[in-house]
Amino acid sequence: QSVLTQPPSTSGTPGLRVTISCSGSSSNIGSHDVLWYQQFPGSAPKLLIDGNDQRRSGVPDRITGSKSGTSASLAISGLQAEDEANYYCAVWDDSLHGWVFGGGTKLTVL
Amino acid sequence: EVHLVDSGGGLVQPGGSLRLSCAASGLPFSNYWMAWIRQAPGKGPEWVANINQDGGQKNYVDSVRGRFTISRDNAKHSVHLQMDSLRAEDTALYYCAVNTGDYWGQGTQVTVSS
Repeated sequence: QSVLTQPPSTSGTPGLRVTISCSGSSSNIGSHDVLWYQQFPGSAPKLLIDGNDQRRSGVPDRITGSKSGTSASLAISGLQAEDEANYYCAVWDDSLHGWVFGGGTKLTVL
Repeated sequence: EVHLVDSGGGLVQPGGSLRLSCAASGLPFSNYWMAWIRQAPGKGPEWVANINQDGGQKNYVDSVRGRFTISRDNAKHSVHLQMDSLRAEDTALYYCAVNTGDYWGQGTQVTVSS
């Protein structure tokens, strides 16, 4: 059971917008910046967002990150078939004195 | 271009040891924290350990503290993970990463089984 809670799955049709949530606590999201990763089967995760909302080089601007209180969100607009992947949030946790990952959300493009 | 090459994985019996290595190139290695992150089949990533730029700060996930040791050699642009007293639940693909995933290695498989 992860310290960070993500919905196991979500889906959307091409062109629409989906949001993936990541819920934590005051010892992690409430105190530190959140990272977001994208992972395709058989590949290493790829860092999409750091600093809560800073897109990494090459990440399209239709992918955005945000944070409010002890929760964070990743939004993908203009959904494309190539967005179908697993998405993970991660953050430092003061109580555990380590990095923690969310359980992951599988995004299906219908 | 940043390139991380992970090695050292294999099949080991419970209670055994392995030493993982990661060779880095294409970046000023001594400027970065380095981490090991593992992923069990069908599961999400799990951060295992990290080490600061000069090796003076090391952090571990509770489940491996006292059994695993992270180290680095800045002269050789490498980071290592000594894994002792291995358990079945340590079975996973182990990735070396810059910071907490700016860049990733290809992973090396560790299987703990009798």
